[in-house]
Amino acid sequence: DTGVSQDPRHKITKRGQNVTFRCDPISEHNRLYWYRQTLGQGPEFLTYFQNEAQLEKSRLLSDRFSAERPKGSFSTLEIQRTEQGDSAMYLCASSPGTGNTEAFFGQGTRLTVV
Amino acid sequence: QQQVKQSPQSLIVQKGGISIINCAYENTAFDYFPWYQQFPGKGPALLIAIRPDVSEKKEGRFTISFNKSAKQFSLHIMDSQPGDSATYFCAASMTGGSEKLVFGKGMKLTVNP
Repeated sequence: DTGVSQDPRHKITKRGQNVTFRCDPISEHNRLYWYRQTLGQGPEFLTYFQNEAQLEKSRLLSDRFSAERPKGSFSTLEIQRTEQGDSAMYLCASSPGTGNTEAFFGQGTRLTVV
Repeated sequence: QQQVKQSPQSLIVQKGGISIINCAYENTAFDYFPWYQQFPGKGPALLIAIRPDVSEKKEGRFTISFNKSAKQFSLHIMDSQPGDSATYFCAASMTGGSEKLVFGKGMKLTVNP
């Protein structure tokens, strides 16, 4: 399968715990995005990488959130001290590059904070 | 302030009917307008997209109509099938910079057999 892959698909965690999600983009895509989607809403932009550089972060990305993309390949999104309000679907997307804004999404990681 | 407004929120059509979903955008710098289809528990999948230099684009049963002066665009699904039952999102982005997508709130389509 050559699509965007996310792991895990589901995560249940207790409030206050740290969680980390992984995204493997389509191999030739140098742009990688993280979005968050809550029930009944469209995805909302969180952050963007061009290769290994994190070039934009949304105001939604509080200081409890951190994302990395070492070597411009896979990416991780970590949430520290999770809160119930963090419960959402976390989506990763990738696209080939500038001027080609066709973005392909992964299946998402469903986070439930109890 | 919602930059992309989508309507209706839900729609029920009969098999074989036409489904129409409308979107309006605020930012005139947007120059790429995709539609995504999402099934429960899955990520959004790109259906069709348009740029403002054309007023209409058709791919199979899916057609986008674009009205630049009104800042509106719509998705038409012809000969709707039960398998089309899903949530549809319009989105917009601008070339250059992050090219992040700004999504509408989505429309849940139900196609009855």
